[in-house]
Amino acid sequence: GAGVSQSPSNKVTEKGKDVELRCDPISGHTALYWYRQSLGQGLEFLIYFQGNSAPDKSGLPSDRFSAERTGGSVSTLTIQRTQQEDSAVYLCASSLASSGSLYEQYFGPGTRLTVT
Amino acid sequence: KQEVTQIPAALSVPEGENLVLNCSFTDSAIYNLQWFRQDPGKGLTSLLLIQSSQREQTSGRLNASLDKSSGRSTLYIAASQPGDSATYLCAVSLNNNDMRFGAGTRLTVKP
Repeated sequence: GAGVSQSPSNKVTEKGKDVELRCDPISGHTALYWYRQSLGQGLEFLIYFQGNSAPDKSGLPSDRFSAERTGGSVSTLTIQRTQQEDSAVYLCASSLASSGSLYEQYFGPGTRLTVT
Repeated sequence: KQEVTQIPAALSVPEGENLVLNCSFTDSAIYNLQWFRQDPGKGLTSLLLIQSSQREQTSGRLNASLDKSSGRSTLYIAASQPGDSATYLCAVSLNNNDMRFGAGTRLTVKP
């Protein structure tokens, strides 16, 4: 079946602009995760959704970052007033459930964001 | 605070060699540990998932072990091939929503 998809694959934006990143999880996966990978650094957890709710928003780096998920499926990560330090690859993952961490996370190809 | 370390940072081997990648973590209270590979310009591919109650998992030429008490995991790759060249990441799940990743080991298998 289809895997996790993300769009756009690449995004170049000017500093100060807002951007929206989209994630389409595997059908039937109730848990959805956002991560980012900055150049030369490891993966950083941002936020996770169980269904439409996000019980843990502590990983979001600032209040310029927000995420939503509607209908238990597609999620968007929005970055307002982008800064150059926001440049990174943003990865989305989904899993069947989050309870007990019994389920593997499957990752999308990522969106490479470049803020100029 | 959970810290995940991978050694070595980079590894180059000739085709056909067996090799071991190492991952260590500071807090043994994990739910599971997962090994991924990341190819340039692509997302992560899950290789093996080891639950905290398990000691190892095998898939084809790959074998991953987990020793929670010592905070270590190894990924063993048998008979390496050029197609195995990638960055290998290990990640531990602290609870049901937070994963911590190591910085990865960049593997090059030379033909």
